[in-house]
Amino acid sequence: DSGVTQTPKHLITATGQRVTLRCSPRSGDLSVYWYQQSLDQGLQFLIQYYNGEERAKGNILERFSAQQFPDLHSELNLSSLELGDSALYFCASSVGSTGNTIYFGEGSWLTVV
Amino acid sequence: GESVGLHLPTLSVQEGDNSIINCAYSNSASDYFIWYKQESGKGPQFIIDIRSNMDKRQGQRVTVLLNKTVKHLSLQIAATQPGDSAVYFCAENGGTGNQFYFGTGTSLTVIP
Repeated sequence: DSGVTQTPKHLITATGQRVTLRCSPRSGDLSVYWYQQSLDQGLQFLIQYYNGEERAKGNILERFSAQQFPDLHSELNLSSLELGDSALYFCASSVGSTGNTIYFGEGSWLTVV
Repeated sequence: GESVGLHLPTLSVQEGDNSIINCAYSNSASDYFIWYKQESGKGPQFIIDIRSNMDKRQGQRVTVLLNKTVKHLSLQIAATQPGDSAVYFCAENGGTGNQFYFGTGTSLTVIP
C-alpha cells in the first residue's frame, strides 16, 4: 500500500457526461500528479500540483481540469466524455516539487460507453 | 514530452534465472530515474531508483545500472520468482516540475 488513496475504483458513464476523480496523497506529501494509462498510449503525464498551485502540465486535454485543495487532496474533472477517454487514471504524490520519488495510487478505472 | 523507450516489450524467464530489462531514454538532462513494477489491475509500484551521479545501485534482488554515455538504463532481477511476473516501466525525471516520463513497459513472465 503506497498510502495514496483514489476514489472511485471503477466508474462507468455515458459519452458527453462529466465525472470527478478524487485523490488523497500520502501523509506529508505536498505534490500530487495525475496520469492516464490507456492500452495504446501507456502512462501519460497529465498535470502536477504542488501545495495547491499548478506546477507542471503535460498532455491534458482542455476538457479535463484538476485542482488541489488546501487539505492537499486533489480532484481531476473530466467533461464531455468520449469513448477514447476510457482508461485508468492514476494519482501519485511526492514530498516536494522536484527531484522526488513519486508513489502511485491504485487508480480509477473509467469506462465511457 | 520526453521519449523513454524499452528495447524488449516481452521477456520470459525460468524461475530462478536472472532477468535483465533494458530501457533507453532520450533526455540527456534527466537526472533521476525510477523503475516501477505494475501488476495487473494495480498501480505502478516503486522498485528502485538511481540518480545521474551514480552508475549502479543495488536493492534486495534488484540492481539498476545507468549508462549516461549511451543514455541507457537496465534493471536486473536476481533469482527471478513467479511473483516477479508483471510489467516493468522505467521512468525519467526530465521535466520542469517533478513529472516523470514513462517508457512503454516490458512484460516479464516467469515460467515455473
